[in-house]
Amino acid sequence: DQQVKQNSPSLSVQEGRISILNCDYTNSMFDYFLWYKKYPAEGPTFLISISSIKDKNEDGRFTVFLNKSAKHLSLHIVPSQPGDSAVYFCAASAYNNNDMRFGAGTRLTVKP
Amino acid sequence: GAVVSQHPSRVICKSGTSVKIECRSLDFQATTMFWYRQFPKQSLMLMATSNEGSKATYEQGVEKDKFLINHASLTLSTLTVTSAHPEDSSFYICSATPTGTSNQPQHFGDGTRLSIL
Repeated sequence: DQQVKQNSPSLSVQEGRISILNCDYTNSMFDYFLWYKKYPAEGPTFLISISSIKDKNEDGRFTVFLNKSAKHLSLHIVPSQPGDSAVYFCAASAYNNNDMRFGAGTRLTVKP
Repeated sequence: GAVVSQHPSRVICKSGTSVKIECRSLDFQATTMFWYRQFPKQSLMLMATSNEGSKATYEQGVEKDKFLINHASLTLSTLTVTSAHPEDSSFYICSATPTGTSNQPQHFGDGTRLSIL
């Protein structure tokens, strides 16, 4: 039962360009969405989040967009840097953190 | 910021061994901690929710007698993989959220790579 889907397993982008990572969800009860970044052999690191009352949240080079009607969110990284190369997980929860569901992840490679 | 420490980072042991993994919140109290499992190139799958002072809540398909969880204090949860077999080999990660917060990101440990020979 994949309630959170990241359909692109990988993405390759040139340094300085925009990286767009996509995520879809099926559970309309989700009201809190997060993006995590993960390096090999490490736990995920929180990157940015958005609540369902908003459609955009920006933090430096990272912006998350939420389209509730389409049950879709995306993470934009601009400009992309080689250090951004990692696996990015989309996550969603309903009402609180007790039932957070993760997508399968997208491996981002930023080429110098 | 909130820090979660997980130990050990890597375990290699023989089939039939029981392995204990610790998850500690270092600078906050966590009434609830979460245990995830990740297979190669797959998502983080929630195994169970660990509740301080009470029984853990297991996700469907996760054997509670196989994966024993103890949350004895507000800063420590342990996951014991009992009589581990090669199919239990995986990457196990814990997370926690400070007590009394809602709609806040979970903070993850660095994970434990378990390899059963």
